[in-house]
Amino acid sequence: DAGVTQSPTHLIKTRGQQVTLRCSPKSGHDTVSWYQQALGQGPQFIFQYYEEEERQRGNFPDRFSGHQFPNYSSELNVNALLLGDSALYLCASSLGRIETQYFGPGTRLLVL
Amino acid sequence: AQSVAQPEDQVNVAEGNPLTVKCTYSVSGNPYLFWYVQYPNRGLQFLLKYITGDNLVKGSYGFEAEFNKSQTSFHLKKPSALVSDSALYFCAVRDRNRDDKIIFGKGTRLHILP
Repeated sequence: DAGVTQSPTHLIKTRGQQVTLRCSPKSGHDTVSWYQQALGQGPQFIFQYYEEEERQRGNFPDRFSGHQFPNYSSELNVNALLLGDSALYLCASSLGRIETQYFGPGTRLLVL
Repeated sequence: AQSVAQPEDQVNVAEGNPLTVKCTYSVSGNPYLFWYVQYPNRGLQFLLKYITGDNLVKGSYGFEAEFNKSQTSFHLKKPSALVSDSALYFCAVRDRNRDDKIIFGKGTRLHILP
């Protein structure tokens, strides 16, 4: 039973560029949540997708957007990258919006 | 607004001794509470959760946590620490009566000394 997978594992971008991160949920899960974890901090909630719609959103600007596909996989897009966007981006999946979330290994993004 | 506090940045415990990692929370309603562990360069692994019922929750790898409503705490415990327990531990809360966002604490680094 595959757990949550994320790609790529690492990414280096320059300021102003755009990036797309991908997540495949744990088998049987239908809800995907995205988090940003800066160095030395706890994960910060970005948004949650359920039934292909954004259901909840944290305090992140519109530069952060996402998508959920019919197979429940999800993408996180960040436009106009800033140095401060450098972080570990975590995807978590769950069966339903309020059930326990299981995390992927993360994508480490470095913005130069 | 809901919040979580982990008052200790780091906890050092000798192998074989009991360990406690502290967590306090603030929500307007009833909480869902979680503990996760993070190993270097890895995602978070679920340890245990409190939803309702028994205040003592047992989880993975011999960990347990005690929900104390009057003290708004949810401390993580283990009777006998292993060196392999050394990692970063996160407490998280969701307000059962509000939206579904989970709020994480800043984390506590646990060092188990051989």
